[in-house]
Amino acid sequence: DAKTTQPPSMDCAEGRAANLPCNHSTISGNEYVYWYRQIHSQGPQYIIHGLKNNETNEMASLIITEDRKSSTLILPHATLRDTAVYYCIVRGSTGNQFYFGTGTSLTVIP
Amino acid sequence: DTGVSQDPRHKITKRGQNVTFRCDPISEHNRLYWYRQTLGQGPEFLTYFQNEAQLEKSRLLSDRFSAERPKGSFSTLEIQRTEQGDSAMYLCASSRSGATNEKLFFGSGTQLSVL
Repeated sequence: DAKTTQPPSMDCAEGRAANLPCNHSTISGNEYVYWYRQIHSQGPQYIIHGLKNNETNEMASLIITEDRKSSTLILPHATLRDTAVYYCIVRGSTGNQFYFGTGTSLTVIP
Repeated sequence: DTGVSQDPRHKITKRGQNVTFRCDPISEHNRLYWYRQTLGQGPEFLTYFQNEAQLEKSRLLSDRFSAERPKGSFSTLEIQRTEQGDSAMYLCASSRSGATNEKLFFGSGTQLSVL
């Protein structure tokens, strides 16, 4: 299963875009990149996922590099409620497990 | 969808006691997962079910742990002879199986403290 590497922590000013990077250099051709976030004392929440193309939904945008070795989650206008731990996950090659790393702790500053 | 429900939210027990947690998945979700999360770490996969069949177990799931999903709906996770190292958040998630496009929906977890 592909491992992911994320910075342990980041800060972002409220109202600005938050760009969270993730490296997944060993990703296989049929593995999706998923992003989840976890607010303190809650279960992880699905944000977005993609295979090759960039994706956008009401929560965020996902930019995947052409070689698929890295991706960036973009929160276009960060709010204080976006303060959370963000996990970048590459779906297991067996197609079953979602492996979470330690994620990036994002703090949105007023 | 009413969401994934877990009960209890918190459990305090003494070392050596048995505990059981319950998870009610989103209706019509055929897959159910259990994860464990300790402070400062991401969730760690424990096991998952497709309908009533337990298809995979992590090596983290020692002999003291057992999970069931008898009718393919709710699931229980039992820990026998609890140890202090079992203190963690136990998370349940459910999904509709769909290969690579699958999305997990998590409950709020059961926080276990073993004294």
